[in-house]
Amino acid sequence: QSALTQPASVSGSPGESITISCTGTSSDIGNYKYVSWYQQHPGRAPKLLISDVTKRPSGISNRFSGSKSGNTASLTISGLQAEDEADYFCSSYTTTTTFLVFGGGTKLTVL
Amino acid sequence: QVQLVQSGAEVKTPGASVKVSCKASAYSFSNEYIHWVRQAPGQGFEWMGLVNPSNGATSYAEMFQGRVAMTRDTSTTTFYMDLSSLRPDDTAVYSCARGKIVGGMDVWGQGTTVTVSS
Repeated sequence: QSALTQPASVSGSPGESITISCTGTSSDIGNYKYVSWYQQHPGRAPKLLISDVTKRPSGISNRFSGSKSGNTASLTISGLQAEDEADYFCSSYTTTTTFLVFGGGTKLTVL
Repeated sequence: QVQLVQSGAEVKTPGASVKVSCKASAYSFSNEYIHWVRQAPGQGFEWMGLVNPSNGATSYAEMFQGRVAMTRDTSTTTFYMDLSSLRPDDTAVYSCARGKIVGGMDVWGQGTTVTVSS
């Protein structure tokens, strides 16, 4: 069982927007601005989409955006495209028995 | 281009040790931490620890303390993760990833499958 909670799946049609949530606690997301989001296609290494809650690395489309409210972080993908179909997972700095915690991942299906 | 290339798949028996390598290329070796994470079948990622390439300092997740060692060889720009006393539930894909001490990991290795089975 992952430390951060994500929905198992979400879906949307091309052109639509979807939001994936990532819920933690005051030991991680709630009190720190170190939330990251990753995209992973089957058989491929994860790709960093968002760091520090809202920052997009160079080369990442502005269709991807991050936010945080309380103990929950969110990834929004606007203008859905077929190639966005992938697994998405979040991570956060934590002050528990480890340093980073991850969500269980969310499978995005583009209808 | 910037990349991390890991060693190949391993099959181990319970109680054995495994050493996974991660060779860094095309970037300044000392500027970014290397994290090690793993993903068991059907599970989310699990952070194992990190190493500071400039001085070799390490930080490990509590659950791996005493069983894991992360090192680096500056002459070959290669990082190593050694996990001992393997159990069947250590079966997972082990990955190295580059990043700040906190914050996102922007370059990942391709992953190394470690299977522990009698």
